[in-house]
Formats: sequence, structure tokens, C-alpha cells
Amino acid sequence: NAGVTQTPKFQVLKTGQSMTLQCAQDMNHNSMYWYRQDPGMGLRLIYYSASEGTTDKGEVPNGYNVSRLNKREFSLRLESAAPSQTSVYFCASRLTMDTEAFFGQGTRLTVV
Amino acid sequence: RKEVEQDPGPFNVPEGATVAFNCTYSNSASQSFFWYRQDCRKEPKLLMSVYSSGNEDGRFTAQLNRASQYISLLIRDSKLSDSATYLCVVNKGNRDDKIIFGKGTRLHILP
Repeated sequence: NAGVTQTPKFQVLKTGQSMTLQCAQDMNHNSMYWYRQDPGMGLRLIYYSASEGTTDKGEVPNGYNVSRLNKREFSLRLESAAPSQTSVYFCASRLTMDTEAFFGQGTRLTVV
Repeated sequence: RKEVEQDPGPFNVPEGATVAFNCTYSNSASQSFFWYRQDCRKEPKLLMSVYSSGNEDGRFTAQLNRASQYISLLIRDSKLSDSATYLCVVNKGNRDDKIIFGKGTRLHILP
């Protein structure tokens, strides 16, 4: 039972490079989320998707794009990475607005 | 007022003691509440949901006070393994699918 799977687990990018963080869930959840976590800042919502085909901005969307490819997959793209995007990124999913969220193991991204 | 506020701690508590955390939320329309636990550099994991009538799971008790808009977590007979950061989680409400996390309360259980 995989739950929420994120790839890659670690990544180092140079400033200006692009990359896509992948997230997939096998729990038939409707909602999916991308968060970043920085020391002392807690979890901050980047983008979320309430259902397949919809995406909405969260608290810190600048510099990111997302795609809800299908019900299972929700990807996060950095078009031109900046050192300020060095962080730990977590993907999460949940069945409905009233249920708990499940998290992936995180992607540790460093932009140099 | 921030949407979800927690005392960041750290709470340094001797093993076997009882410790309690509170978390306040600003949106009276919020309907669902949770406590998560996060260990260093790991993903958050659900500790327990918080129901209107309160709920207990072993040494852990969660309470909701809608009138004062806060939730609480009580840990009895604390263990060394309880050392972690505890995150308060509140659904946005008003049919908004956002999940709002508090910044967390750090707990250190001392031997």
C-alpha cells in the first residue's frame, strides 16, 4: 500500500534550471496539495487541486505551476529555479474536505 | 489574527508528566480539525481527528471548543518517543478545500 508517492526524494538544481516534482496517490482521493516547509515557517500551501481538472493557488504560488494530470497525479513545476525555492516539498491528498490528509515522504530541493 | 496559531515551544517535559497544547483558529466556519505529529525531517502523520464531543486515543485526548475557537491536545504519561512537533490542522470551511496548518509546537520529553 503505497499511499502518496513523491519523486524525486532529493534534488540539487542550479539557479535558472527547471524541474518537475511528481506526486501520485493510489487511494482514489479527490483533493491533492503541494506544500513547502522551511525552518521556522511551518507548512505553506503552494497550490491545491480539489478535483481532477481543477487547480487553485495557495499561500505562496509565485514561481510554481501545477498540473492535475488525472485523479492520481499532481505535479509541481519550477520553471526557473531560484535559491529562495530551496525547501522541503510535501505532496498530500485526501478523500473529501472533511477527512484527514495523507502525505508523501517529501522532496528535499536545493537550488544553488 | 492568523488563521491557525500555536505556541511554538519548545516544551521540555520530564518523562511521565502530562503536557497540554492549545491551538486557536480564526474562521468560525471551520468544520474539521486534526492533530498531526511530525518527526524531524519527516512527513506529517495524523495523530488524531478532533470531534465536537472530544475524543481519546490511549494517552492522547483531543478537545474542541467552538465558542472560543480552539482545540487542545493532552498527552498523559509522556514517553521519550513522544518527542516531536505537533501540528494543529484546520479545514478552511465555507466549502473551501484548503487545509491550514499551524506552525507546530515542539515537544521534548526529558529522561
